[in-house]
Amino acid sequence: DQQVKQNSPSLSVQEGRISILNCDYTNSMFDYFLWYKKYPAEGPTFLISISSIKDKNEDGRFTVFLNKSAKHLSLHIVPSQPGDSAVYFCAASAGGGADGLTFGKGTHLIIQP
Amino acid sequence: GAGVSQSPSNKVTEKGKDVELRCDPISGHTALYWYRQRLGQGLEFLIYFQGNSAPDKSGLPSDRFSAERTGESVSTLTIQRTQQEDSAVYLCASSLRQRGYTFGSGTRLTVV
Repeated sequence: DQQVKQNSPSLSVQEGRISILNCDYTNSMFDYFLWYKKYPAEGPTFLISISSIKDKNEDGRFTVFLNKSAKHLSLHIVPSQPGDSAVYFCAASAGGGADGLTFGKGTHLIIQP
Repeated sequence: GAGVSQSPSNKVTEKGKDVELRCDPISGHTALYWYRQRLGQGLEFLIYFQGNSAPDKSGLPSDRFSAERTGESVSTLTIQRTQQEDSAVYLCASSLRQRGYTFGSGTRLTVV
């Protein structure tokens, strides 16, 4: 039973446009959400997070939106750049912090020139 | 060290052999996690160590898998009698409680 779902295995976006990566979760106890970015042959690196008390968190070109009623979050990257090409993992935890993360399967974002 | 270090970075082993994977966490990080990523799959939780507490082994896929951690230092993940389905990238992460994970670069295990 997958508690964190990323239904798009891959996404192709033109450079300069907006990339939108989606994530759905089923466990209503989740209250902290994170996005990780992974390049080939490297470990995932933390990108951005959001607590369930917020519905939006912004950091430069990256914004995460949380819709608790729909159990849905999304990561927006604007404008998309070639270096954004990577696999993006959505993760969630219960208990208000970044321990005990449950990860989605990832979405491979490809930025086309 | 500055980051989480994993060794070896690549390991090719014959089916039926035992392998041992090593993780050196960031100094002072009390929590240590092992995950694996099989081809085309997401990050699959294996085991979690927090300080001197009993580890959470709920993600280990079979009794061929075991892991140890001495105090808050090095951890080793051992896979006995490897099978082809064990082929994956094994990732280690460490964290200070509630402060987010730092991942190592992983060990790519190939069972032939």
